[in-house]
Amino acid sequence: AQSVAQPEDQVNVAEGNPLTVKCTYSVSGNPYLFWYVQYPNRGLQFLLKYITGDNLVKGSYGFEAEFNKSQTSFHLKKPSALVSDSALYFCAVRDPGTNAGKSTFGDGTTLTVKP
Amino acid sequence: DVKVTQSSRYLVKRTGEKVFLECVQDMDHENMFWYRQDPGLGLRLIYFSYDVKMKEKGDIPEGYSVSREKKERFSLILESASTNQTSMYLCASTPSPGRNEQFFGPGTRLTVL
Repeated sequence: AQSVAQPEDQVNVAEGNPLTVKCTYSVSGNPYLFWYVQYPNRGLQFLLKYITGDNLVKGSYGFEAEFNKSQTSFHLKKPSALVSDSALYFCAVRDPGTNAGKSTFGDGTTLTVKP
Repeated sequence: DVKVTQSSRYLVKRTGEKVFLECVQDMDHENMFWYRQDPGLGLRLIYFSYDVKMKEKGDIPEGYSVSREKKERFSLILESASTNQTSMYLCASTPSPGRNEQFFGPGTRLTVL
């Protein structure tokens, strides 16, 4: 079985400061990991993914994430937050052996960036 | 540009009504999904389909059914709507194999009175 945890319901940062949104996962084999963002009244948008290779992956809007196998984590980071980054963020995991690309999503973390 | 569309953004129905939510994707994806999103509960998978006429139950299938008669269209059916099915419903698709991200529609906010 696959699962993912986002331990923080809410993250608050000041504009210009670095931000981190945490994600840990559990999967039987090597995972596929994803981050998505949801702006108010919108569907989810893909940010970045880890499939294989370099542990540091870069994505849209200046976001990056680091895959850490020993800690089973995939934290989302950005060096300098913008007010427009305020949104709901979801981490997702997929076991490559699962059928049909089925992913398991975390409960989401609300990021608020204050001016 | 990749596109997933859902038939309605907002829908209000009465308890006991039969409700159809439609999802169409134009990317020739094999896999399609229906989720419901509730505050604090994240996305919960209702049903998914990996091929035409194929369907599998997700984590919370009770009270729902689905139909996939054509590759591009995946319908979610509430046989007899209840107030606890008031939620945001999100449709997604992804191609095979499973290395790819999911593409989401804008969502349908369903209110059952």
